[in-house]
Amino acid sequence: GDSVTQMEGPVTLSEEAFLTINCTYTATGYPSLFWYVQYPGEGLQLLLKATKADDKGSNKGFEATYRKETTSFHLEKGSVQVSDSAVYFCALSNNAGNMLTFGGGTRLMVKP
Amino acid sequence: DAMVIQNPRYQVTQFGKPVTLSCSQTLNHNVMYWYQQKSSQAPKLLFHYYDKDFNNEADTPDNFQSRRPNTSFCFLDIRSPGLGDAAMYLCATSTAVVQETQYFGPGTRLLVL
Repeated sequence: GDSVTQMEGPVTLSEEAFLTINCTYTATGYPSLFWYVQYPGEGLQLLLKATKADDKGSNKGFEATYRKETTSFHLEKGSVQVSDSAVYFCALSNNAGNMLTFGGGTRLMVKP
Repeated sequence: DAMVIQNPRYQVTQFGKPVTLSCSQTLNHNVMYWYQQKSSQAPKLLFHYYDKDFNNEADTPDNFQSRRPNTSFCFLDIRSPGLGDAAMYLCATSTAVVQETQYFGPGTRLLVL
């Protein structure tokens, strides 16, 4: 079946550092790929998405490129802020029911 | 703004006392989902409605039920909450289009005493 693997956290960075959170997937066909962010005590918010190979999703300074050849969708940000501290989930959707397959989540902690 | 609303944000119940969590949406989406999320874990799908069609995940306990009286509202009923049911419960919606985005509500945190 489909699966998503993302790097384990926590990831601790200083403000203005470069962020990469790795995400790789296993799926048949051509899934849509998503990054969701969850701030403490809140629900999940869609951060960005990509629906086909080589698409780049971007939002709020975050970017991720759909790489079919490496089955990856790594999340990057050039300069993180304290307010980016949250848990980030990589996910894919590959079926008519729009079921999401989630990775395990990566907690990001940004220190001033 | 179109959105997914969950009430209450925090719910305290007693062991074995039935509890109902509420979700409403103004997105007019066909599909509504209920997830359970325990600390430091990814959300786990309990069930979903495709319009009025109910779809239960195979490993969802019988203790969990759901109702969708109309397009806008969906309820999660926990018939006899146990201590292990303490979690964040997330509602989400999507259109019926394949591989479309799911939109999540803010969640209800359930505490079982």
